[in-house]
Amino acid sequence: AQSVTQLDSHVSVSEGTPVLLRCNYSSSYSPSLFWYVQHPNKGLQLLLKYTSAATLVKGINGFEAEFKKSETSFHLTKPSAHMSDAAEYFCVALSINAGGTSYGKLTFGQGTILTVHP
Amino acid sequence: DAGVIQSPRHEVTEMGQEVTLRCKPISGHDYLFWYRQTMMRGLELLIYFNNNVPIDDSGMPEDRFSAKMPNASFSTLKIQPSEPRDSAVYFCASRRNRGLSYEQYFGPGTRLTVT
Repeated sequence: AQSVTQLDSHVSVSEGTPVLLRCNYSSSYSPSLFWYVQHPNKGLQLLLKYTSAATLVKGINGFEAEFKKSETSFHLTKPSAHMSDAAEYFCVALSINAGGTSYGKLTFGQGTILTVHP
Repeated sequence: DAGVIQSPRHEVTEMGQEVTLRCKPISGHDYLFWYRQTMMRGLELLIYFNNNVPIDDSGMPEDRFSAKMPNASFSTLKIQPSEPRDSAVYFCASRRNRGLSYEQYFGPGTRLTVT
């Protein structure tokens, strides 16, 4: 069974400072990993994805994440936070089995609410 | 592309009434998912379809919930009878079955309030 753990339920930063949202996963097989963002009263939008290519993945709005197999982590970072980054962020895993197919389900982390102060 | 379309965006109903939520997936996508989001339980997968066929409905909370996908461009999630604890935001998502991307595209959600 796979699981995704977001280590912080809330993160608060000042505008212009770096953002770090932490995510650890467990999976029997090589996972595909995603970060989604949900702004208030909106649906989920894909920020970036990792699918066993480059371990450093760049996404939209200046976000990036690094897949570290040895640490089973996929932390999301951004060098400089903007007020518009305030939202809830979800780390998500999709298991890919040895045959290269998917079970078809996403496993969501609990979410991290990012607050950005002026 | 218009993205995943859900209707209605907001629904307020009284306990015991039937509620039908609708979803139009992105054209060409083979998979369709229904999720429920609440403060207490976060995002939960209710059911998903592949090529209009339900594959896994183990997340459907009880028999009051049912979902159909009569064709590739339309799906419904029905609650009958509705209860206050069904109040949540219901998301529909879709994805294609090609390559290793597997990312799902989410609709804007339907906020359901049962009084």
